[in-house]
Amino acid sequence: DIQMTQSPSSLSASVGDRVTITCRASQSISSYLTWYQQKPGKAPKLLIYAASSLQSGVPSRFSGSGSGTDFTLTISSLQPEDSATYYCQQSYITPWTFGQGTKVEIK
Amino acid sequence: QMQLRESGPGLVKPSGTLSLTCVVSDASIASSNFWSWVRQPPGKGLEWVGEIYRSGSTNYNPSLKNRVTISVDKSKNQFSLKLSSVTATDTAVYYCARPYCSNSICYFDYWGQGTLVTVSS
Repeated sequence: DIQMTQSPSSLSASVGDRVTITCRASQSISSYLTWYQQKPGKAPKLLIYAASSLQSGVPSRFSGSGSGTDFTLTISSLQPEDSATYYCQQSYITPWTFGQGTKVEIK
Repeated sequence: QMQLRESGPGLVKPSGTLSLTCVVSDASIASSNFWSWVRQPPGKGLEWVGEIYRSGSTNYNPSLKNRVTISVDKSKNQFSLKLSSVTATDTAVYYCARPYCSNSICYFDYWGQGTLVTVSS
């Protein structure tokens, strides 16, 4: 199985801060990388697919980059509603696997 | 807008079989190439359970070995999950989800609201 490792596991930042979350795959996955946002008690929500493509309706402060094994999700200006847990997921090969999640809190 | 909704017993006894159904609304289940189940133990991360293709073929997470079966009922516009020989480690919120593929890159764009299944005597 491809292991997905996210860092950090959690972070606390202020409104307006630039936030970066990293996801590393245990082998190259090209651009087969998706980012989701999950709020407590809710299903995950698609943010970014194909490593850098923004899903329709997602605010432009979210962006993704990377290819191969190293990927980044960036929130350019953190907003209160961005408090959530973020997951990366590879779809290069089954079993599709997720990172362990990064919890973002607002200071 | 497609909607997915899971249903099934919230409590299953150890060694029993977990059975869930996902009803697809506002879209035909035949409109998508495949459908998936994803689960999340309380306070933990997400785990892909498996998927069923429009052809009826299936693909399961090897971690679940031979315990999982996913099927589809086109007449009812729904698909189902069965997980046998359950233990407490199968306690989780189970989500049904629609994988969408573009240029061979796939991602889950529609999710059900999730249903908690607890394995306990």
